[in-house]
Amino acid sequence: AQKITQTQPGMFVQEKEAVTLDCTYDTSDPSYGLFWYKQPSSGEMIFLIYQGSYDQQNATEGRYSLNFQKARKSANLVISASQLGDSAMYFCAMRDGQAGTALIFGKGTTLSVSS
Amino acid sequence: DGGITQSPKYLFRKEGQNVTLSCEQNLNHDAMYWYRQDPGQGLRLIYYSQIVNDFQKGDIAEGYSVSREKKESFPLTVTSAQKNPTAFYLCASSTRGRTYSNQPQHFGDGTRLSIL
Repeated sequence: AQKITQTQPGMFVQEKEAVTLDCTYDTSDPSYGLFWYKQPSSGEMIFLIYQGSYDQQNATEGRYSLNFQKARKSANLVISASQLGDSAMYFCAMRDGQAGTALIFGKGTTLSVSS
Repeated sequence: DGGITQSPKYLFRKEGQNVTLSCEQNLNHDAMYWYRQDPGQGLRLIYYSQIVNDFQKGDIAEGYSVSREKKESFPLTVTSAQKNPTAFYLCASSTRGRTYSNQPQHFGDGTRLSIL
């Protein structure tokens, strides 16, 4: 069965530092996509970055990058130069052929950025 | 602006009562989804619909029902059979696409449901 594992319940970082949020996944489907979402305390889900299973290069979007290691089945999110506004819950999610276009989510990591 | 509108923002349910959560999108997306989020937890799929008049159960469909009569609308009913309905409910939509499509799901702002 498909599964997403985020092992860090909480992470703490100081402003301007980089932080890595871990995500491992499990699927038997060779075609899949990995997504990261940010959820501030207000509750909305904000899409950050996507990595496809066939993508040769790691995805980047501004201060967000994805460290994709296919053999290890990991897709860690790297946030460079953390800002106070980055404090939120972060979810890793996967889409594969078993649930159509629905996403399977991990339990999330709470990131706290301090000044 | 295109987006997803969920209403109400807060909802209270009495014992034995059915309640319906509204989800409307104007993104022209074929696929729509309902997720449940419990405190400190990830999102779990309740139901999803890839096309009008068709929907499938997700991982936790028991005690819930949906309809998809229009492309824009995907209401969720929390029935009295759902014994622990207190949670944050999120509706999402996306293009149907391929499983490895890079098109993300777009989410509404959610509905917080509590038991009275």
